[in-house]
Amino acid sequence: EDQVTQSPEALRLQEGESSSLNCSYTVSGLRGLFWYRQDPGKGPEFLFTLYSAGEEKEKERLKATLTKKESFLHITAPKPEDSATYLCAVQEGEGYQKVTFGIGTKLQVIP
Amino acid sequence: ETGVTQSPTHLIKTRGQQVTLRCSSQSGHNTVSWYQQALGQGPQFIFQYYREEENGRGNFPPRFSGLQFPNYSSELNVNALELDDSALYLCASSLGRGGVGEQFFGPGTRLTVL
Repeated sequence: EDQVTQSPEALRLQEGESSSLNCSYTVSGLRGLFWYRQDPGKGPEFLFTLYSAGEEKEKERLKATLTKKESFLHITAPKPEDSATYLCAVQEGEGYQKVTFGIGTKLQVIP
Repeated sequence: ETGVTQSPTHLIKTRGQQVTLRCSSQSGHNTVSWYQQALGQGPQFIFQYYREEENGRGNFPPRFSGLQFPNYSSELNVNALELDDSALYLCASSLGRGGVGEQFFGPGTRLTVL
């Protein structure tokens, strides 16, 4: 069965303290890997799509990378407004956009 | 450009009742997916609709059903509600069938089953 595992489950950082979130996956044929940010009680907000190993995407303080087995979301010099749950999701298979999500990493950035 | 909207925002039902949730997709998007997100969990795929036809289904029983309309808006219906159905229900729209593409989520409907 396809699996998406995120670690750590929770992370507490001081403002400015850089770190990385991990997403490991086991799917039969990866077609795309997505990162989303979710604030409490709201829908996920799209951040990045990665398609193939070696690909990198950047947006402000966030940088996502992809290997054949995992993806990392690097957060550089985080600010309190970066506090949220970060979800990783993978799309596999043909014919329809089945997307499997991990349970997320809850990030808290302390001023 | 109009984003994904969902209604209602919150809903309280009792066990055994039926509920209908609604979603308007982002302008230009023809694919709608529904997800169930329990507290502290990631979204779980329920099903997807492409141009008014079901185009994939997750591991949910038949009492979860849906519709997509010609304007690509969608409904999720749940019959015979159970306590475990309490969750945030998310609708996501995207473009294209089977293609790789990011999904854009609505704010969700919080369903509480008593």
